Amino acid sequence: DAGVIQSPRHEVTEMGQEVTLRCKPISGHDYLFWYRQTMMRGLELLIYFNNNVPIDDSGMPEDRFSAKMPNASFSTLKIQPSEPRDSAVYFCASSLAQGGFNQPQHFGDGTRLSIL
Amino acid sequence: GESVGLHLPTLSVQEGDNSIINCAYSNSASDYFIWYKQESGKGPQFIIDIRSNMDKRQGQRVTVLLNKTVKHLSLQIAATQPGDSAVYFCAENKRNQGGKLIFGQGTELSVKP
Repeated sequence: DAGVIQSPRHEVTEMGQEVTLRCKPISGHDYLFWYRQTMMRGLELLIYFNNNVPIDDSGMPEDRFSAKMPNASFSTLKIQPSEPRDSAVYFCASSLAQGGFNQPQHFGDGTRLSIL
Repeated sequence: GESVGLHLPTLSVQEGDNSIINCAYSNSASDYFIWYKQESGKGPQFIIDIRSNMDKRQGQRVTVLLNKTVKHLSLQIAATQPGDSAVYFCAENKRNQGGKLIFGQGTELSVKP
């Protein structure tokens, strides 16, 4: 089975440009998560969705960040305008909740973002 | 100047030895715990999980122990191999919190051949 698929794997762009990261979750999973990982702060949850609806976006750094999930098989994380401090590895993960008990989140291999 | 990053705890073991990685969790209401392995350039990979109604769970070469009294979780890896070298994260979750995981800072495991 295909795992979580993220694109692009690497992105290098100049400050001020719009950046769009993409994620395809595992088919059938009803939760989707966006994380950011840096050396300074470790792994941080940015936002997560349940059945395509955003549930908790308290981790989104500021208004420059936005995320959408137009359907069960696709999500985007957008940064506009981008800044050098946004440089990090961004991970998408998905999971399935059954009977109120959570199942493991499965991660993609991330997008390594560098803002110059 | 040089930026200061997280200083990950490091565990160095000899190939073939057993490894024990420890984690202290924060929320006494957490009822689900997971261990992840992250290799360089990859996303965290699920290893094993355990629910709060259990004290121990075993997988292939791995065992997770849960001590709810002191809020402590450990991962034991038997016969550690060079391919086990990675950063290991524990994560906790409270039921009905929508699958939201709280991750620890990670431990770097280095296996010497």
